[in-house]
Amino acid sequence: EAQVTQNPRYLITVTGKKLTVTCSQNMNHEYMSWYRQDPGLGLRQIYYSMNVEVTDKGDVPEGYKVSRKEKRNFPLILESPSPNQTSLYFCASSPSRGAGPQYFGPGTRLLVL
Amino acid sequence: SQQGEEDPQALSIQEGENATMNCSYKTSINNLQWYRQNSGRGLVHLILIRSNEREKHSGRLRVTLDTSKKSSSLLITASRAADTASYFCATIHDMRFGAGTRLTVKP
Repeated sequence: EAQVTQNPRYLITVTGKKLTVTCSQNMNHEYMSWYRQDPGLGLRQIYYSMNVEVTDKGDVPEGYKVSRKEKRNFPLILESPSPNQTSLYFCASSPSRGAGPQYFGPGTRLLVL
Repeated sequence: SQQGEEDPQALSIQEGENATMNCSYKTSINNLQWYRQNSGRGLVHLILIRSNEREKHSGRLRVTLDTSKKSSSLLITASRAADTASYFCATIHDMRFGAGTRLTVKP
């Protein structure tokens, strides 16, 4: 089944404790991206990747890092989480940027205390 | 800045009625997509309309695109309670989403 998976689905952590949210897709998509969703603000793009080893900042990249060492995986790293990063995070992929629909993961709900 | 901006922010209708949501965008586009999100879940792609198309249908969905006004609309006909969700538009160019329209369909 074609899908985008994220782990963990729910996470409660404390300020400053590094964490990684994994994202994996099995559709051989070149383009992957991370969004955060906050009430009233819609989805805002954090980072995106056009292909392996090619990443770029989205609209709200501060406090986040990403890497794309393999085509299928695109982890989101919070080196020192802060409470303002409490949010619902989505990973998405598509064949290439601007080419067809994005497929979204189920979301990761993060609470930073 | 957000490329797709949906209007209204919230819409409440009775089952069987039609629901219309609008989307405005800022720059030239190649195509535009509409997505649906059930509460707290990932977005699901509904329909894509290309810049050279004016109207597209998919089941009970009808999407129009007016590139001169930089706007699109999504019409859901004969709505059902299961259509209750948030709806977003996004331009293919930069994959930016607006805040969405929250649709509630009352049984």
